[in-house]
Amino acid sequence: KNQVEQSPQSLIILEGKNCTLQCNYTVSPFSNLRWYKQDTGRGPVSLTIMTFSENTKSNGRYTATLDADTKQSSLHITASQLSDSASYICVVSGRGGSQGNLIFGKGTKLSVKP
Amino acid sequence: NAGVTQTPKFQVLKTGQSMTLQCAQDMNHEYMSWYRQDPGMGLRLIHYSVGAGITDQGEVPNGYNVSRSTTEDFPLRLLSAAPSQTSVYFCASRPAAGGPYEQFFGPGTRLTVL
Repeated sequence: KNQVEQSPQSLIILEGKNCTLQCNYTVSPFSNLRWYKQDTGRGPVSLTIMTFSENTKSNGRYTATLDADTKQSSLHITASQLSDSASYICVVSGRGGSQGNLIFGKGTKLSVKP
Repeated sequence: NAGVTQTPKFQVLKTGQSMTLQCAQDMNHEYMSWYRQDPGMGLRLIHYSVGAGITDQGEVPNGYNVSRSTTEDFPLRLLSAAPSQTSVYFCASRPAAGGPYEQFFGPGTRLTVL
């Protein structure tokens, strides 16, 4: 069964510190992997999209890595800010089929404290 | 561009009532979809459309209907609301079904069924 597992479920860090969120998936065949940020009460917003051939991709203080061989991805947040408090969702798209459906992880809830 | 818009933002229904959640996008995207988000679960696909006049079921379609008469609009109908349909509903769009296209989400509709 195609699944996306994220860890940890929740994380509390101090402002200015770095953190890394993990994503493991079993989706096959693989097409692309996405990271989304979802603020409380809002819709998810895309941070990065990576295909099979991409190992790392940055978006400001966010850096995503992908190891397609081990089916693992991570999202590294550098010099965290209070505004980084949100849920971070890992999403994997499989190849093939007409619908291009995305498989969502349950998210990691990040709290950044002053 | 307004992106993806949804109305209403909040709605309370009684069991057995019907209603339509509206979704519109102004990016000329072919692919549109509806998700529900429940606590402790990832976003789950309800219905999707790969173009005007074409719709199909997702993971959790029971109790919901959709239609796609134009590229811009993709309404979701609840036929006879049940408490199990209490959830946050998100509409999303992207240029096409397959490929690493960014998917844009609306702000969500928070629905409570009593």
